[in-house]
Amino acid sequence: GNSVTQMEGPVTLSEEAFLTINCTYTATGYPSLFWYVQYPGEGLQLLLKATKADDKGSNKGFEATYRKETTSFHLEKGSVQVSDSAVYFCALKGSSNTGKLIFGQGTTLQVKP
Amino acid sequence: DTAVSQTPKYLVTQMGNDKSIKCEQNLGHDTMYWYKQDSKKFLKIMFSYNNKELIINETVPNRFSPKSPDKAHLNLHINSLELGDSAVYFCASSQEARAAYEQYFGPGTRLTVT
Repeated sequence: GNSVTQMEGPVTLSEEAFLTINCTYTATGYPSLFWYVQYPGEGLQLLLKATKADDKGSNKGFEATYRKETTSFHLEKGSVQVSDSAVYFCALKGSSNTGKLIFGQGTTLQVKP
Repeated sequence: DTAVSQTPKYLVTQMGNDKSIKCEQNLGHDTMYWYKQDSKKFLKIMFSYNNKELIINETVPNRFSPKSPDKAHLNLHINSLELGDSAVYFCASSQEARAAYEQYFGPGTRLTVT
């Protein structure tokens, strides 16, 4: 079945450091891929998405490229801020018509001043 | 205006009780979902409704029963609560189920069963 694997956290960085959070997936067909972010005490918000191979999603300085050859969708940001501290979830939607999202286990990012 | 709202935000109850969580979306979306987030932050879908019709029913105990009175509401009723039901429950909605539309999440309901 479909699945998503994220790097283990927590990830602790200093402000302005470079961020990478690894995400790989297993899926049949052509899934769509997402990154969601959950700030403390809140629900999830879509950060970015990509719907086909080689698409790059980007938002708020974050980027991720849909790599079918390596089944990956790694999240990157060139210079993190304290306000980026949150839990980041990689997710996929398969080719079914149900809208079902399959999430990775989440990666906690803590950015220190 | 809150897009997806849930009530209550916190729910503390004893084992064996029956409780409900309500969800409403004002986005005009056709599809609504319930997710469960455990203590390790792992998120798993429980149910999904499209135009009031159940389209996803994951392996969830039948003590959990979703009810969708109309497209804007999806409530979750839980009978005979157990300790293992303690979690954060998120409601979400999307424009429709087929394409890769963004899912909008509510703020969550933290359920604690004692």
